[in-house]
Amino acid sequence: DGGITQSPKYLFRKEGQNVTLSCEQNLNHDAMYWYRQDPGQGLRLIYYSQIVNDFQKGDIAEGYSVSREKKESFPLTVTSAQKNPTAFYLCASRKQGVNSNQPQHFGDGTRLSIL
Amino acid sequence: ILNVEQSPQSLHVQEGDSTNFTCSFPSSNFYALHWYRWETAKSPEALFVMTLNGDEKKKGRISATLNTKEGYSYLYIKGSQPEDSATYLCASTGNQFYFGTGTSLTVIP
Repeated sequence: DGGITQSPKYLFRKEGQNVTLSCEQNLNHDAMYWYRQDPGQGLRLIYYSQIVNDFQKGDIAEGYSVSREKKESFPLTVTSAQKNPTAFYLCASRKQGVNSNQPQHFGDGTRLSIL
Repeated sequence: ILNVEQSPQSLHVQEGDSTNFTCSFPSSNFYALHWYRWETAKSPEALFVMTLNGDEKKKGRISATLNTKEGYSYLYIKGSQPEDSATYLCASTGNQFYFGTGTSLTVIP
């Protein structure tokens, strides 16, 4: 079945460490997104990518980095510069670029905690 | 950043009751309004995408309306069932998706 796979489901990070969250899709979607959810808040956009080798910052990109070397993959690195990384992270993809009325498809999420 | 608001924050209804909740969004620079259902331990699932003022969409017992001039959308659930229990998210899109905080619905058997 086509879908979006996020791994790992749970991740623990020590202070000062970088960690990378994986997101893979086999839907042949062009656009991919990373969101962060904190208690009592809506999904907030970290980064998005419309095509391979191109990505744009969302509203809360500080302390995060991404790459888009392949259409299927959009990994998110949470760097040590992100002072409050504990959150639930959701990856999504969409068939066309950002200016379309196609819905997003989501993975199951990764919960990141600080040790 | 677009300010998308949803109300109420949470809702408990009895099985068989009909219910509705609201998504408010800025009407300027509007492109589309999305509704998603997010069940616990699952990923959000798309329900509707609406673009035109006056749009109405229906999927089984769930329907939605859109008013782009005044900046709101309503989601209706007719005859709520326990399996409707979930968080319902709306998102307004211009260049990006801007999500509301969601309405958490619990249907009591």
